[in-house]
Amino acid sequence: RKEVEQDPGPFNVPEGATVAFNCTYSNSASQSFFWYRQDCRKEPKLLMSVYSSGNEDGRFTAQLNRASQYISLLIRDSKLSDSATYLCVVNPRYNFNKFYFGSGTKLNVKP
Amino acid sequence: GAGVSQSPSNKVTEKGKDVELRCDPISGHTALYWYRQSLGQGLEFLIYFQGNSAPDKSGLPSDRFSAERTGGSVSTLTIQRTQQEDSAVYLCASSLGVGGAGRTEAFFGQGTRLTVV
Repeated sequence: RKEVEQDPGPFNVPEGATVAFNCTYSNSASQSFFWYRQDCRKEPKLLMSVYSSGNEDGRFTAQLNRASQYISLLIRDSKLSDSATYLCVVNPRYNFNKFYFGSGTKLNVKP
Repeated sequence: GAGVSQSPSNKVTEKGKDVELRCDPISGHTALYWYRQSLGQGLEFLIYFQGNSAPDKSGLPSDRFSAERTGGSVSTLTIQRTQQEDSAVYLCASSLGVGGAGRTEAFFGQGTRLTVV
């Protein structure tokens, strides 16, 4: 079983829509969680960390559900510029520096 | 430098040749990672260095792949006798490597696009 699993998509949504992605992780001892964004032919960049209490950054909200071992990313009022692949990243407690990347969820925001 | 620097940005090589890819991490970052990303695919972990500890080589796909990190800073990934299936973008990342409650997000370089012809 993969450490981190994501729906590859693509999610095709109109501008202004709200879209949510989930990501499940297999290791209950996971410590830290992140969402990265990767534009076409570019390197991944950190979008936001995911905190236990949930956190919000503008139109983006991240949630963590430890009991069910998933994290989510909600994007409100989608913009054309949000089109990208969103990578879920998990960092296990037993090795703070080992990152497990999901294969990514592709989002296409259409005019 | 301000970010992770990789060179070359593009490399075209003939099948059977050896290639060396270089990564210069963010100053002060003790952890360094190599990943590979084939077209349209996710990130495949290759190898991870943390300070002076033995590297985690569990992701290297074959013994044609090796990496070293000199002086805890610059790293080189070497692919011997390249094959066409080695064609991919090779991404390097570094992180602070702080344990405990520290959040150790990884910062990526722009990658080296390797094409084996």
